[in-house]
Amino acid sequence: QKEVEQNSGPLSVPEGAIASLNCTYSDRGSQSFFWYRQYSGKSPELIMFIYSNGDKEDGRFTAQLNKASQYVSLLIRDSQPSDSATYLCAGPGYSTLTFGKGTMLLVSP
Amino acid sequence: EAQVTQNPRYLITVTGKKLTVTCSQNMNHEYMSWYRQDPGLGLRQIYYSMNVEVTDKGDVPEGYKVSRKEKRNFPLILESPSPNQTSLYFCASSLAAQNTEAFFGQGTRLTVV
Repeated sequence: QKEVEQNSGPLSVPEGAIASLNCTYSDRGSQSFFWYRQYSGKSPELIMFIYSNGDKEDGRFTAQLNKASQYVSLLIRDSQPSDSATYLCAGPGYSTLTFGKGTMLLVSP
Repeated sequence: EAQVTQNPRYLITVTGKKLTVTCSQNMNHEYMSWYRQDPGLGLRQIYYSMNVEVTDKGDVPEGYKVSRKEKRNFPLILESPSPNQTSLYFCASSLAAQNTEAFFGQGTRLTVV
């Protein structure tokens, strides 16, 4: 079974710090990954997607994909209290997108 | 505005009373799916549909039915709800099954008493 694994957290960081969220996956053939942010009781919303090995930056967010080590990470620079949410990593499953269980991020003022 | 619309947003029902949660998307997406989300278990896929009249089981299909008679609609049916189906449900759609962004509905919080 193709799996995507995340540490459930919570990951606690102070305001202004860099938050680093990680995800590992089981299928070496996986090509693309997505990071979603989900506030409590709300629907997931896409933050970043990454298809290629290396880094992809968008504002305060950087996604990193390392296919050799089979991990994906999301860095959030200058973390804000409004970034406090659960972050879901998603990658390809056999016939559908597979989601990790999510990492809760808490940013304290 | 591109969106996935679920109804109702909140529902409290009794054990055994059939219910339907509707899902509609206006993006002409081929692929649609239903998830349930429970604390500590993450998003678990119930059913998915690759296209009209094509549906398949996800990871937790027991107790649920779906249909895809039109491209835009993908209702979730609970023929005889039980308390263990109390959960937060999400419908999602995307251009394809993988490698494309999934757009989620607002969610339906279902309580079965």
